[in-house]
Amino acid sequence: AQKITQTQPGMFVQEKEAVTLDCTYDTSDPSYGLFWYKQPSSGEMIFLIYQGSYDQQNATEGRYSLNFQKARKSANLVISASQLGDSAMYFCAMRENSGYSTLTFGKGTMLLVSP
Amino acid sequence: IAGITQAPTSQILAAGRRMTLRCTQDMRHNAMYWYRQDLGLGLRLIHYSNTAGTTGKGEVPDGYSVSRANTDDFPLTLASAVPSQTSVYFCASSDDGGAIDEQFFGPGTRLTVL
Repeated sequence: AQKITQTQPGMFVQEKEAVTLDCTYDTSDPSYGLFWYKQPSSGEMIFLIYQGSYDQQNATEGRYSLNFQKARKSANLVISASQLGDSAMYFCAMRENSGYSTLTFGKGTMLLVSP
Repeated sequence: IAGITQAPTSQILAAGRRMTLRCTQDMRHNAMYWYRQDLGLGLRLIHYSNTAGTTGKGEVPDGYSVSRANTDDFPLTLASAVPSQTSVYFCASSDDGGAIDEQFFGPGTRLTVL
């Protein structure tokens, strides 16, 4: 079974609108971390936001927020006020803290922001 | 500027040839990782190292080897390249003990095996 599932291969949003990118995860480890990375067309991987399994509040970083629903095992990324520069591939990833600090990535969601 | 460098940027390689992808970080991070990225599959972990002198296998280690002689360098070797190893390869590092311990990525190496 996949540990990280991103069900949206592609998403479209208009500039200035908000968009939610879905991510569900599967783990039996009580301690884990969830990450979102952005990969623009230039290819580099950019860390966006982190949510720990014991964090009481949803993580926020500027226009990025993470809608963390622990019981549903979901960690959706919300981008508010989309910009053209947000067009990129977005990856959700999980680290299970009982093992080594390795990340398991989802297959990604391509976001296209239109004017 | 602190970060991770990878070399070469891109390479076309004949099948059966040996190839080493280089990765160097100057952040003094303990942990380093190698991933391959293939269309539709996301990033998959090949090998990792939690500290100098130790390495471990990831999800797709077959056909690859790594070494970690010091903190800064983590080369990935394809002993006898095959076309299925055509991919984009990313090296990453992390503090492995930091508060968040996010991984920092290099710019990638695009490898084509013919």
